[in-house]
Amino acid sequence: EPEVTQTPSHQVTQMGQEVILRCVPISNHLYFYWYRQILGQKVEFLVSFYNNEISEKSEIFDDQFSVERPDGSNFTLKIRSTKLEDSAMYFCASSTGTGVSPLHFGNGTRLTVT
Amino acid sequence: RKEVEQDPGPFNVPEGATVAFNCTYSNSASQSFFWYRQDCRKEPKLLMSVYSSGNEDGRFTAQLNRASQYISLLIRDSKLSDSATYLCVVIGMDSSYKLIFGSGTRLLVRP
Repeated sequence: EPEVTQTPSHQVTQMGQEVILRCVPISNHLYFYWYRQILGQKVEFLVSFYNNEISEKSEIFDDQFSVERPDGSNFTLKIRSTKLEDSAMYFCASSTGTGVSPLHFGNGTRLTVT
Repeated sequence: RKEVEQDPGPFNVPEGATVAFNCTYSNSASQSFFWYRQDCRKEPKLLMSVYSSGNEDGRFTAQLNRASQYISLLIRDSKLSDSATYLCVVIGMDSSYKLIFGSGTRLLVRP
C-alpha cells in the first residue's frame, strides 16, 4: 500500500536556527498538508497546498513558516527561525482531495528546539 | 464552541467489554466524518469513515446523527490492542478539504 514518508524522524535544533522537514506524499494525491501536535495536545492544522500554492493556512502558520514542492515529489516545511514552542511532532499528509477522502499521514518528524 | 468536541477520557475497560465514544461538531454544513486512531507518539491512522446510514467494520460501528451534529464509535469485544486514543475528525467545508481534529478520547483496555 502506498504511504506518505517523512524525513528525518527526529530533528534537534537550537533556537533561532532554520529547519526543513521533508515529506514525500502518495504519488497520485493532489492535496498536501502539514499538521503539528505538541506533546499531550491535539493535532492542529498548519497549512494545505494544492496546485503548487497554499490553499489555506492557520494562524499558527506565520511568516516563520513556508512550504514548497520543489521537484514534483517532495513537499517541504521550512521554519525560518525556530522557537522553543515550535517543539512538536510535525505530520505531513496527502489526499485525493475529493472532500470525502480521508487524509493519509506520514509517521511524523519529532522536532526538538533547545 | 470548539469545532469538534470529545470526552478526553480515559475510558478504562476490561478485555471483552463494549465501549462507546461520542463526538459533537459545530459546523452543520460539514459533510465528511472519520474516526482515526492514534497510538502514543505515532501518526493518526484512519480507523473508519462515518456514513449517514451508519457503518460497521468488524467489532467497530460508527454512527452519524446530523440533526444533533453527533458522531459515535462503538467498540465491541475490546482487545488489549485497542488501547489507543480515538480521534473524531471532520472535513472542513472549504476548498482545502482539511481535517479538523477533536482532542481525542483515550481508551485503556486492561487484561
